[in-house]
Amino acid sequence: ILNVEQSPQSLHVQEGDSTNFTCSFPSSNFYALHWYRWETAKSPEALFVMTLNGDEKKKGRISATLNTKEGYSYLYIKGSQPEDSATYLCAIRTGANNLFFGTGTRLTVIP
Amino acid sequence: EAQVTQNPRYLITVTGKKLTVTCSQNMNHEYMSWYRQDPGLGLRQIYYSMNVEVTDKGDVPEGYKVSRKEKRNFPLILESPSPNQTSLYFCASSPYINEQFFGPGTRLTVL
Repeated sequence: ILNVEQSPQSLHVQEGDSTNFTCSFPSSNFYALHWYRWETAKSPEALFVMTLNGDEKKKGRISATLNTKEGYSYLYIKGSQPEDSATYLCAIRTGANNLFFGTGTRLTVIP
Repeated sequence: EAQVTQNPRYLITVTGKKLTVTCSQNMNHEYMSWYRQDPGLGLRQIYYSMNVEVTDKGDVPEGYKVSRKEKRNFPLILESPSPNQTSLYFCASSPYINEQFFGPGTRLTVL
């Protein structure tokens, strides 16, 4: 079992605000980090997969960074919109080919 | 349309009555996986498969079986369901262990 921690557990932001949240993981046995976006009553959708220390990925207003040496990743949302409201999941892939998910950060964007 | 399908979507059953939840993908993905989602616990991996006839235990395999006789199908079998297996189940697939494509979920209740 790998302990993947996400913080905060939930947050509310005003429309237009930028926000970020964290995924922390043990840096040993790291192979890849996945970020997913999970809207209520839907299935999780992949945002990013990152493997290298210092990786930065961007998709529209959402970006992510990875620090494998200290064991964390940040997800940033610039200019939050109500449609960004969702739970954001982080998952770590180990060398054993399985995935360990955090419990997610639930984001609510208030119009 | 590229997709992962699961059936049934909803199931209420009784303790001890064997059941199978089917999962099928049409993207020719090698990697397939089953997860369960429980409140406060995040997604936990039950079993995964790297390819046909290759399956491995995930984080919480007890009480479940899987098979991978064809590349597209990865059924989840509960030989003798118990109430603690009441959960929301997701099947997912990906080319190797890249970003996962999730099915729509199966909500199982075991009475």
